Amino acid sequence: DAGVTQSPTHLIKTRGQHVTLRCSPISGHKSVSWYQQVLGQGPQFIFQYYEKEERGRGNFPDRFSARQFPNYSSELNVNALLLGDSALYLCASSKQGGSYNSPLHFGNGTRLTVT
Amino acid sequence: AQSVTQPDIHITVSEGASLELRCNYSYGATPYLFWYVQSPGQGLQLLLKYFSGDTLVQGIKGFEAEFKRSQSSFNLRKPSVHWSDAAEYFCAVAPSGNNNDMRFGAGTRLTVKP
Repeated sequence: DAGVTQSPTHLIKTRGQHVTLRCSPISGHKSVSWYQQVLGQGPQFIFQYYEKEERGRGNFPDRFSARQFPNYSSELNVNALLLGDSALYLCASSKQGGSYNSPLHFGNGTRLTVT
Repeated sequence: AQSVTQPDIHITVSEGASLELRCNYSYGATPYLFWYVQSPGQGLQLLLKYFSGDTLVQGIKGFEAEFKRSQSSFNLRKPSVHWSDAAEYFCAVAPSGNNNDMRFGAGTRLTVKP
């Protein structure tokens, strides 16, 4: 079975630009979460979507947005990029919205560099 | 302030030696607790989790963790480390009970000496 897939794997953008990151969950998983991992730190929660609705939002500015499509894939959008947005962006999927018995499965991430 | 603390940024152990990685949390109630491992260039893999019940939990790859409520700790252990265990280890909590919204520690990088 395919795991969580993210695209692209690497991306270089310039300050002020916009970026879209994509995630395909494991087949049968209806929940997708996004995390930002800055170099040398642990991942930080950005968003969770379940059944195409936003179920959780971390402490990130409005420049960050996301959506989930009918096939449960998801996009993370970041507008007006700043140097500090450079990070590894991780997508994770789970079968259910927040159950302890529905563990998260992480993708390998998209490495975003903002210059 | 609510936080997850991993006091050791980097640990080096010899192959075959025992390992303990520390994790402390500060949340009001006992949250869901997790340990993840991240190899270079890869995503995170769940090693084990704790919600309630037996305070000693077994995970994959021979890892175990012990929850100590009095110390607000959830330390990860392995009796004998293998070279393939070299990676970054993250402790995480789900304070709201939603394991999609997790708070991670800063991580401990494990180096294994031959």
